[in-house]
Amino acid sequence: AQSVTQLDSQVPVFEEAPVELRCNYSSSVSVYLFWYVQYPNQGLQLLLKYLSGSTLVKGINGFEAEFNKSQTSFHLRKPSVHISDTAEYFCAVNYGGSQGNLIFGKGTKLSVKP
Amino acid sequence: NAGVTQTPKFQVLKTGQSMTLQCAQDMNHNSMYWYRQDPGMGLRLIYYSASEGTTDKGEVPNGYNVSRLNKREFSLRLESAAPSQTSVYFCASSDGQGARETQYFGPGTRLLVL
Repeated sequence: AQSVTQLDSQVPVFEEAPVELRCNYSSSVSVYLFWYVQYPNQGLQLLLKYLSGSTLVKGINGFEAEFNKSQTSFHLRKPSVHISDTAEYFCAVNYGGSQGNLIFGKGTKLSVKP
Repeated sequence: NAGVTQTPKFQVLKTGQSMTLQCAQDMNHNSMYWYRQDPGMGLRLIYYSASEGTTDKGEVPNGYNVSRLNKREFSLRLESAAPSQTSVYFCASSDGQGARETQYFGPGTRLLVL
């Protein structure tokens, strides 16, 4: 079955430290990959997406992600986090085909401490 | 440009009561979605509408009905609310590029069923 796994439910880090949030998906011929961010008591906002082309994707707020087909991964990284990055991050995958097929991971709560 | 708006923001219902959650978008998108978000579960699709006049079931449609009133508006109705429907509900719209589409989310409706 098609699935998305976010390996860490919570990630605590100190301000200015690097962070990596991990995401793995089920193997498939074609996938379209997204990272969304949800700040407290808000809706989801697109952070970045991979549709095709370069496997390194840059998004807003200094985040980037790398598509690794052999590892079926799409990990999110930031070299130096800020307090304002505290939020929940969702990896989502569309395995292609019809609409209504965007599958979300269960989310990773990033907590940035001073 | 308000994006995706949802009303109400908060609602408390008693078991068996009915209510309608409203969603509107001003981005001229064809596709609209309703999700529910529960702790540790990520987002799960309830219903979606690929275009005006069409609706389709998602992963968790039981207990819900939807209406695509026009291109802008997509409502979600709970006919007889149950405690299991306590959740945060998000509406989204998309630019409709099939599997490559980006979804844009509203701020959510927090529903408590007693």
